[in-house]
Amino acid sequence: DVKVTQSSRYLVKRTGEKVFLECVQDMDHENMFWYRQDPGLGLRLIYFSYDVKMKEKGDIPEGYSVSREKKERFSLILESASTNQTSMYLCASSSFRWPGELFFGEGSRLTVL
Amino acid sequence: TQLLEQSPQFLSIQEGENLTVYCNSSSVFSSLQWYRQEPGEGPVLLVTVVTGGEVKKLKRLTFQFGDARKDSSLHITAAQPGDTGLYLCAGAGSGTYKYIFGTGTRLKVLA
Repeated sequence: DVKVTQSSRYLVKRTGEKVFLECVQDMDHENMFWYRQDPGLGLRLIYFSYDVKMKEKGDIPEGYSVSREKKERFSLILESASTNQTSMYLCASSSFRWPGELFFGEGSRLTVL
Repeated sequence: TQLLEQSPQFLSIQEGENLTVYCNSSSVFSSLQWYRQEPGEGPVLLVTVVTGGEVKKLKRLTFQFGDARKDSSLHITAAQPGDTGLYLCAGAGSGTYKYIFGTGTRLKVLA
């Protein structure tokens, strides 16, 4: 059964803390994505990676960075968490085959106090 | 930035009713997908359309891609409680794997 696994379902952090969200996929997919989901706004793309060590900014990259050292793992980093980063974060992967299908993890709900 | 607007934002209907959800943009997309998301889970792909005017059916769900590839609709016939969820459209431009998601339609079907 194909799977995208996100490391934490729920996190509570304080303003200014560094936050790591990790995502692992077992489908040998080339593409990996980080989205954030907020009510009424749908999913907004933060960063996208199409290969190891390659990354591309999405629509809302400010305040975030990413790391992809291995093909199966894509990490989202909040260098200094702020309250406006409280949200649901969704990781997804897809193959190079176009148009492709996004496979999502279950999400990580982050609360920044 | 490309935007995808969905309407309605919320929909609560009785079992057996029909409904249509719309996904509109001023941008042209090479591919448009519909996903359904249930509470506590990530979105799951329902369908992909790539040709203007294309119609695809998935049991009681009918998906249509606009002729100009700027809009799409999802029609559900005889809705059932199991159809309850958040429906998201997502579009990608030519030569890109980056999907832009719509604002979502939250559907509740009452038994």
